[in-house]
Amino acid sequence: GAVVSQHPSWVICKSGTSVKIECRSLDFQATTMFWYRQFPKQSLMLMATSNEGSKATYEQGVEKDKFLINHASLTLSTLTVTSAHPEDSSFYICSAQRGGYEQFFGPGTRLTVL
Amino acid sequence: QKEVEQNSGPLSVPEGAIASLNCTYSDRVSQSFFWYRQYSGKSPELIMSIYSNGDKEDGRFTAQLNKASQYVSLLIRDSQPSDSATYLCAVRVGGGADGLTFGKGTHLIIQP
Repeated sequence: GAVVSQHPSWVICKSGTSVKIECRSLDFQATTMFWYRQFPKQSLMLMATSNEGSKATYEQGVEKDKFLINHASLTLSTLTVTSAHPEDSSFYICSAQRGGYEQFFGPGTRLTVL
Repeated sequence: QKEVEQNSGPLSVPEGAIASLNCTYSDRVSQSFFWYRQYSGKSPELIMSIYSNGDKEDGRFTAQLNKASQYVSLLIRDSQPSDSATYLCAVRVGGGADGLTFGKGTHLIIQP
């Protein structure tokens, strides 16, 4: 159990376009999901916390108008990177909270902005 | 500022030996502690969680927590080449609604 999927696994886009990433918990319901970002040779940094049916909570320094998060159901959260620029190129990873304790991570989405 | 510190390594251990990974954290009120394994280019995989002082064993893995010293460790017994990866220590300050603060990870190499 505790399987989390992400789609797409990788995406290449032109500067100025928007990209949507989906995160799904496949075999459990997650009232809370999280979005992280990982740059090369660095650790994961929490971007935002996504709660089903309410607005996301963003970490300091993360632009909420640039990284739009929607948690439409107990199994789906989406992250939209709006007007993407090369500096947004990174490994975006979601996690889903099971039972209020452990977080299980999706396989990640590698975003490259040209 | 929440900080989680790990020795980046690489830590080289012979196959069959015990690998010992360490982590310290800055926020005294941290409640939950996790070890994740991350292979290059992949997302983290949960290995162990620990919430109270002492040891917790799961197969070849043992997590140890000392809240007074703000220290958490992971022991891997009978190390295998497939254990070679980056091990991330993660800490959660509050309850389940809080995200995790990660250390930079320790790169572990198991030598055949």
